[in-house]
Amino acid sequence: IAGITQAPTSQILAAGRRMTLRCTQDMRHNAMYWYRQDLGLGLRLIHYSNTAGTTGKGEVPDGYSVSRANTDDFPLTLASAVPSQTSVYFCASSHMGSTHTGELFFGEGSRLTVL
Amino acid sequence: GQNIDQPTEMTATEGAIVQINCTYQTSGFNGLFWYQQHAGEAPTFLSYNVLDGLEEKGRFSSFLSRSKGYSYLLLKELQMKDSASYLCAALDSNYQLIWGAGTKLIIKP
Repeated sequence: IAGITQAPTSQILAAGRRMTLRCTQDMRHNAMYWYRQDLGLGLRLIHYSNTAGTTGKGEVPDGYSVSRANTDDFPLTLASAVPSQTSVYFCASSHMGSTHTGELFFGEGSRLTVL
Repeated sequence: GQNIDQPTEMTATEGAIVQINCTYQTSGFNGLFWYQQHAGEAPTFLSYNVLDGLEEKGRFSSFLSRSKGYSYLLLKELQMKDSASYLCAALDSNYQLIWGAGTKLIIKP
């Protein structure tokens, strides 16, 4: 593994189903993030984690949950998918030093379609 | 509220220069980022400015004016591979990134 890896890269899902998007990084970054990207809108933060064992809500957290059991993994779960969750999901990580200004490293994205 | 404005789309000619503007309104300010995103790919970091002025990095330069809430990304000697979306993002007082919708840059031969 080099960098940050997401799986699956693409998924079609029936509404009401549960889905977990996986994200793993091998850069030992403290902070990890989940974003969704929709046409015409900026990246929107769903959830974040500043360090293992802690998580926080972003701009659009409803319908999503995350966990951060260790430094490397940050899965995103849709408990009961709805069509409005059709989007491209990006996982990202950064090394948050004292300045909190670390650049983000993104995974390749997971394209999710909810029917 | 917090807001980032940048043009939706721009067109430029191969070999030319293009400037992509970004204005921001945030609660506090801790710096401004530019990212490049090719179609179907992940965003990649281009630049970070926290002080006023111009930062040059090869063919790409980024400028910041904190008093005006304004930044631009300058791309010189445009190449076809520069066709991409360019995302502006400001870091607010809580160190949260506020993203613009991106500027799609189309390069014509």
